[in-house]
Amino acid sequence: QSALTQPASVSGSPGQSITISCTAPRSDVGGHHYVSWYQQHPGKAPKLIIYEVSNRPSGVSNRFSGSKSGNTASLTISGLQAEDEAHYYCSSYININMVFGGGTKLTVL
Amino acid sequence: EVQLVESGGGVVRPGGSLRLSCAASGFTFDDYVVTWVRQAPGKGLDWVSSINWNGGSTGYADSVKGRFTISRDIAKNSLYLQMNRLRAEDTALYYCSRGHYYGLDVWGQGTMVTVSS
Repeated sequence: QSALTQPASVSGSPGQSITISCTAPRSDVGGHHYVSWYQQHPGKAPKLIIYEVSNRPSGVSNRFSGSKSGNTASLTISGLQAEDEAHYYCSSYININMVFGGGTKLTVL
Repeated sequence: EVQLVESGGGVVRPGGSLRLSCAASGFTFDDYVVTWVRQAPGKGLDWVSSINWNGGSTGYADSVKGRFTISRDIAKNSLYLQMNRLRAEDTALYYCSRGHYYGLDVWGQGTMVTVSS
């Protein structure tokens, strides 16, 4: 069981927007600014797409955005494209240890 | 080009040992915390261990504490993970990455560790 809870799967049609949630058991996610999101395509290494809740690394599409409210962080992908189909993982830290969510499989219909 | 390349994976029996290596290039290695993350077949990401720039501070997941040791050689731009008393549940693809909980911005392609009798 992961320390951070994500939905197992989400889906959306091309052009739509989807949101993936990431919930901590208590105030850990809400108590600081270190939430990251990773995209992983099958057979590939993860790729950082959001860091410090809402910042995008250079080269990451602005269709990806992050936010946080209370114990829950969220990743929103707007204007869904076929290439967005992948697994998405949130990450933060609890008691100085890094933790990941269980991952969410995004299907583009 | 900024790059991390892992090596040292393989098949080992339960209770055995293995040493993973990660060679860094294209950036100033000792400017960064570096981290090992693993992924069991068909499963999610699992933080294993991190080490600060000079090796003076390390952290381990509870599942590997006391069995795994992280280290780095700044002169060789290399990161290591010594894994002892391996268990079946340690079977995974092991990734080397740059950064820590604030964001892992560079990842290697991983090296596979299989613990099986």
